[in-house]
Amino acid sequence: SQQGEEDPQALSIQEGENATMNCSYKTSINNLQWYRQNSGRGLVHLILIRSNEREKHSGRLRVTLDTSKKSSSLLITASRAADTASYFCATDYYGNNRLAFGKGNQVVVIP
Amino acid sequence: NAGVMQNPRHLVRRRGQEARLRCSPMKGHSHVYWYRQLPEEGLKFMVYLQKENIIDESGMPKERFSAEFPKEGPSILRIQQVVRGDSAAYFCASSPGTRTDTQYFGPGTRLTVL
Repeated sequence: SQQGEEDPQALSIQEGENATMNCSYKTSINNLQWYRQNSGRGLVHLILIRSNEREKHSGRLRVTLDTSKKSSSLLITASRAADTASYFCATDYYGNNRLAFGKGNQVVVIP
Repeated sequence: NAGVMQNPRHLVRRRGQEARLRCSPMKGHSHVYWYRQLPEEGLKFMVYLQKENIIDESGMPKERFSAEFPKEGPSILRIQQVVRGDSAAYFCASSPGTRTDTQYFGPGTRLTVL
């Protein structure tokens, strides 16, 4: 199956709530990245976490990485309507700059 | 500093025609990647190029698809004799060098084959 599988697939929350989504992968990696894609637009890089890191923060984003479980989570705190988008995790497990993407999480933040 | 540019943003072709998608990487970036996204799917790697070199084309279909990144000008993804199954969003990304992890994506070209 596909490297990088986000769970849950779709999430609908009220503005101000936190949103958490997960990603699992199957082989060893150098790093894992999270991207955001607004409807019909390109991907925006959010955060990169390396295999020797366990947690990373960027503004309202918090990413964790558990290499023993081969999983990562993305937490968006105090969500805003503008956070409505699809969120993808991507791994470089090929080790040669080829990114393998999951199918994405759709997040809808209701004002 | 302009980001990754792709054109056209939307492209409509009839079956059997050729599609040419262009990508201009960010200034100072010499590595270009092409990905394809089918509806409701994540991105799938197609090809990785440096100037005048194809580094990895393992994700490219064996027939009808080709890519280049000439010394001067944008990278081109070319699809010959398009079929309906080629309808997708095609994204280009760039990075400064091999050891740089982050890839910066363009807005994509949405190809529709009638």
